[in-house]
Amino acid sequence: NAGVTQTPKFRVLKTGQSMTLLCAQDMNHEYMYWYRQDPGMGLRLIHYSVGEGTTAKGEVPDGYNVSRLKKQNFLLGLESAAPSQTSVYFCATRDSGRGLRVFGPGTRLTVL
Amino acid sequence: KNEVEQSPQNLTAQEGEFITINCSYSVGISALHWLQQHPGGGIVSLFMLSSGKKKHGRLIATINIQEKHSSLHITASHPRDSAVYICAAVDSNYQLIWGAGTKLIIKP
Repeated sequence: NAGVTQTPKFRVLKTGQSMTLLCAQDMNHEYMYWYRQDPGMGLRLIHYSVGEGTTAKGEVPDGYNVSRLKKQNFLLGLESAAPSQTSVYFCATRDSGRGLRVFGPGTRLTVL
Repeated sequence: KNEVEQSPQNLTAQEGEFITINCSYSVGISALHWLQQHPGGGIVSLFMLSSGKKKHGRLIATINIQEKHSSLHITASHPRDSAVYICAAVDSNYQLIWGAGTKLIIKP
């Protein structure tokens, strides 16, 4: 089992460009989360999903959109990247019980 | 005042020492996570507990719900234990309230 994978691992964008980060899981978990982690700060929740076809806003949703068309995939989109979105992005999953979260390896995004 | 507070912020110890990291929270929680993040690396969930004590290898996590306090202990610490350890409280909506993390360095 691959667990949680994130694509890409690294990306450099110019201001105004768009991109999509993919989170894929093979554990059949219902819940999926996108977090960002900035230097010296804890993780902040961007968006999350409680099941296929559902999404909800987290703590810092502005500038991001998400989709969960398939249970195993959770996509995070940046429509018009800004330097403030330079961060490390982590995807996480959780089963429907109060289980441990499983984190992906992270995507390091730099916006110039 | 943060809802989840960890202490110490930084901890340096010699290999073999017994390590304790503390986490206090001021909100009602359904459970508490302990996670580990290696430098430049990913995040690993170590424990989730809602009562009592859990053990995995050299790691032990305890929680006292009445006192709103949890501890993570590492026995026979090793340089490979060097990492940031984070506690995160699970609120009633199953969202995580993150502590600031404890940076642990174990010297050989």
